[in-house]
Amino acid sequence: NAGVTQTPKFRVLKTGQSMTLLCAQDMNHEYMYWYRQDPGMGLRLIHYSVGEGTTAKGEVPDGYNVSRLKKQNFLLGLESAAPSQTSVYFCASSYFQTGLLVNEQFFGPGTRLTVL
Amino acid sequence: GESVGLHLPTLSVQEGDNSIINCAYSNSASDYFIWYKQESGKGPQFIIDIRSNMDKRQGQRVTVLLNKTVKHLSLQIAATQPGDSAVYFCAENNEPGGGTSYGKLTFGQGTILTVHP
Repeated sequence: NAGVTQTPKFRVLKTGQSMTLLCAQDMNHEYMYWYRQDPGMGLRLIHYSVGEGTTAKGEVPDGYNVSRLKKQNFLLGLESAAPSQTSVYFCASSYFQTGLLVNEQFFGPGTRLTVL
Repeated sequence: GESVGLHLPTLSVQEGDNSIINCAYSNSASDYFIWYKQESGKGPQFIIDIRSNMDKRQGQRVTVLLNKTVKHLSLQIAATQPGDSAVYFCAENNEPGGGTSYGKLTFGQGTILTVHP
């Protein structure tokens, strides 16, 4: 049981390049999330998904796109990278439980992205 | 406690002491709170959570206290160890009471805990 895994661990991009970050979870969780973490700040929600085939915007969605074609995978895309997107990106997943609106989120190890 | 800005609050303690990390949350209607520990270079790791119908919850060496009157949350770590050194985040349910909250959390900025041997 690997939990939540993220690929790649590190990446350096030039301004304008595109890339996709992959998140995978093997816990059969319904909900998945993408966050970014900047120095001295907490995590900010970029996009999230409540199930296969569904996505929604979070707090800071501009410049990012996501897809959830399979329940276990959640992809984060940067179409045209900008230096402001230099950050550490974390994926998380959470399970749905009848009668409870929210439960703990399980996090991946993160992807450190630098945009030059 | 946690605050807005680029400089994280810090707490330094001696090994064996008890630690108290504070957090002020924003939404008086929030009904779920959670503490995470983040070690350098790693993702956040769940410590303990509490729902708004409780004032206190205990885990192994950790206790979370919730004061809804003043919108304050605290994490107490007993007999702090060097391995407890990390950044600690509190988070609250983003859209309490709504059927569309989907577990979204709003995170605080974090507090750096340093434990000296």
